Amino acid sequence: DAKTTQPNSMESNEEEPVHLPCNHSTISGTDYIHWYRQLPSQGPEYVIHGLTSNVNNRMASLAIAEDRKSSTLILHRATLRDAAVYYCILRGGSQGNLIFGKGTKLSVKP
Amino acid sequence: AAGVIQSPRHLIKEKRETATLKCYPIPRHDTVYWYQQGPGQDPQFLISFYEKMQSDKGSIPDRFSAQQFSDYHSELNMSSLELGDSALYFCASSFSQNYGQPQHFGDGTRLSIL
Repeated sequence: DAKTTQPNSMESNEEEPVHLPCNHSTISGTDYIHWYRQLPSQGPEYVIHGLTSNVNNRMASLAIAEDRKSSTLILHRATLRDAAVYYCILRGGSQGNLIFGKGTKLSVKP
Repeated sequence: AAGVIQSPRHLIKEKRETATLKCYPIPRHDTVYWYQQGPGQDPQFLISFYEKMQSDKGSIPDRFSAQQFSDYHSELNMSSLELGDSALYFCASSFSQNYGQPQHFGDGTRLSIL
């Protein structure tokens, strides 16, 4: 399975943008890049996903490098409710399940 | 919008007992996934079903079994429970196994083994 590398933790101030990086240098051509987050004591929550082009939705934006070996999840204005562990996950190959790595623990300061 | 429903939310059992966890996917979702999350750990995939057939298998112990029924709900059956089975169990559903389809998770069942 293709692997991803994320910083263990990041800090942000409330109402400022947050850029969460993810490296996936061994990504294959058919792998989708998915982002999920998990708030304390809750189930993982889908955030956004993309294949090649940048994507936007009501929660976030996903910027994908031209060579697809890295991507960045962008939260445009962080709120205290965005404090969570963010997982960057590649989906493809022979299995449809999600393989969760360590993720990035995002702290948001008021 | 309807979400994934899991029951029960909390379950306390003793060693060597059995437990059944239930998952009701989002309407029209045909794929169900089960994950286990131990204390301080990241979620680990257990097993999945597509159109009532097992599609993938992860690190699910032989003491556990699961199935998906005709109404697409799924049950995870756990026998000979051990202390190490104490964890959060999440169910997720998606519309097809297409890798471009997101998985939507329930709030989980917290299983405690005494």
